[in-house]
Amino acid sequence: EVQLVESGGGFVKPGESLRLSCKASGFTFVNAWMNWVRQTPGKGLEWVGRIKSEADGGTADYASSVRGRFTMSRDDSKNTLYLQMSSLQTEDTAVYYCATASSTYWGQGALVTVSS
Amino acid sequence: DIVLTQTPLSSPVTLGQPASISCRSSQSPVNSDGNTYLSWLQQRPGQPPRLLIYKVSNRFSGVPDRFTGSGAGTDFTLKITRVEPEDVGVYYCAQATQFPYTFGQGTKLEIK
Repeated sequence: EVQLVESGGGFVKPGESLRLSCKASGFTFVNAWMNWVRQTPGKGLEWVGRIKSEADGGTADYASSVRGRFTMSRDDSKNTLYLQMSSLQTEDTAVYYCATASSTYWGQGALVTVSS
Repeated sequence: DIVLTQTPLSSPVTLGQPASISCRSSQSPVNSDGNTYLSWLQQRPGQPPRLLIYKVSNRFSGVPDRFTGSGAGTDFTLKITRVEPEDVGVYYCAQATQFPYTFGQGTKLEIK
């Protein structure tokens, strides 16, 4: 059974940092291109970024709203995807989902709340 | 950016009746590899999104055959032949052809 389990969400103040993790199982993670997508009640679904497999270069692309503040990485030895978020702003408040880049599989989401 | 515009935004439907959702793209989502990476996702209340249709018209594994995707160019449609209670939720079209990947605003399907 394919599973994607996010962790690391929480409550932070503006300007602070947070790292989300996404543990994958049930498929060949090393070959998978992965996305982070976030969802807010008012703005629906928003793509955050995508990272390629290491075999395809391992590079990441980002939405303009997070570029320079968020960094995606992966540890294939741990079947884990990461999202390092820095300089968080109130508008980054959302549920963050990891998903395979084809949208085939999604995690349950991790809530990030940024508020003073 | 490719803007995806869905209509209607809300669709009250009688059980057993058909439903149709339109997704219009601001530009053709055809990739340079010739594929059109236009998908449809379903999000039931309290659940993450779930893939229904990929590359315009391909039903994902386990998706009932009452769901059909179609379209070409800039106009795409998701049809449900006979709405069932478990179809209640929000439906999104999404494109993964061009950065940034984008989603439609969502269409809320509810039972009359």
